[in-house]
Amino acid sequence: DAGVIQSPRHEVTEMGQEVTLRCKPISGHNSLFWYRQTMMRGLELLIYFNNNVPIDDSGMPEDRFSAKMPNASFSTLKIQPSEPRDSAVYFCASIPTGQRNTEAFFGQGTRLTVV
Amino acid sequence: SQQGEEDPQALSIQEGENATMNCSYKTSINNLQWYRQNSGRGLVHLILIRSNEREKHSGRLRVTLDTSKKSSSLLITASRAADTASYFCATVRMDSSYKLIFGSGTRLLVRP
Repeated sequence: DAGVIQSPRHEVTEMGQEVTLRCKPISGHNSLFWYRQTMMRGLELLIYFNNNVPIDDSGMPEDRFSAKMPNASFSTLKIQPSEPRDSAVYFCASIPTGQRNTEAFFGQGTRLTVV
Repeated sequence: SQQGEEDPQALSIQEGENATMNCSYKTSINNLQWYRQNSGRGLVHLILIRSNEREKHSGRLRVTLDTSKKSSSLLITASRAADTASYFCATVRMDSSYKLIFGSGTRLLVRP
């Protein structure tokens, strides 16, 4: 398996533009997580899905952020409109279904810069 | 951070020395995990310790867990320059299906 795949790896966009980050979890993993990493706030859990259903989105910073998981093999995190303070590295992670004592598998991240 | 703190925030040691990093958390947990992150890369899982375990080993890594103090430590023995990275603890809480919350991390520099 190729692991968790995120795209794009880097994204530079202008303030006010819509940004869409993509994630393909490991096949057979039905739980998926989106994290944001910044120097100031560290690694923040934004939202997680179980069987394509959002379970907890309490970490989503504001209404400009939205996430979807239309099927078991694909998820998106959208920011509309983007702001400079959204600049961060966004990580996607997945775990095997129904397991709690298991590691999370992370993608390589998307480095977002909003200018 | 969303869960707790790690200390020290940064650690610089000589190759061959041992490195100890500590993690404190706030809630009851199901398990605690340690991850490593090389600069500009994703996180890689190192070791998981369950709430009913007190110590666990994996190669040069030793992890302890004290649930009464809500703390854990990661010991890397005989460090190597290649161990230079950031190390994060993360917890899965007892009251959720799986919500992995990270600490603030320790930046480790191993000088050759």
